[in-house]
Amino acid sequence: DVKVTQSSRYLVKRTGEKVFLECVQDMDHENMFWYRQDPGLGLRLIYFSYDVKMKEKGDIPEGYSVSREKKERFSLILESASTNQTSMYLCASSPRLDYNEQFFGPGTRLTVL
Amino acid sequence: GESVGLHLPTLSVQEGDNSIINCAYSNSASDYFIWYKQESGKGPQFIIDIRSNMDKRQGQRVTVLLNKTVKHLSLQIAATQPGDSAVYFCAEIYYNQGGKLIFGQGTELSVKP
Repeated sequence: DVKVTQSSRYLVKRTGEKVFLECVQDMDHENMFWYRQDPGLGLRLIYFSYDVKMKEKGDIPEGYSVSREKKERFSLILESASTNQTSMYLCASSPRLDYNEQFFGPGTRLTVL
Repeated sequence: GESVGLHLPTLSVQEGDNSIINCAYSNSASDYFIWYKQESGKGPQFIIDIRSNMDKRQGQRVTVLLNKTVKHLSLQIAATQPGDSAVYFCAEIYYNQGGKLIFGQGTELSVKP
């Protein structure tokens, strides 16, 4: 079974803090994705990566950056957390670009005070 | 613009009845349409997909119908069970955009025993 793990289930940070969300997949997948999920808005793509050290902006990249130094790990960084970044963050991976199924982690509920 | 939306935010059905979850989309350029199921406290899980040039696809207890004329997608669940209670998302995937998924807002399905 594919396993996608996220470093924290719940996280509380203060405005202005730098926040790191970590995601690890154990199936040697090429592609990794970060989404945020908000009520009424569904899942929105923040960034994705199709190879080590490669990254592409999604639909809402502002205020975020990412890092993919190793194939199995994809990190989401909030340079200076703001209250409007309070959300559920979901990481996903897939084997290749034309593979329809993305495998999701359990999510990190981030609250920015 | 790109958007995938759902007609109803909530759906309540009796156990054993059939469920129909609807989705409207606006962009006809996607490669596949996909349904995901998200149970409480978990990440979304792939259910079934349908290629954009098909009208119908059946899985185990699920059927997806695609009407390209009116840009409408539906997920039918036969003999709905309590374990089907979840939020269901439709999504489009674009291979030429790195396997990017665009999600709808989601419909919450509640199954009454």
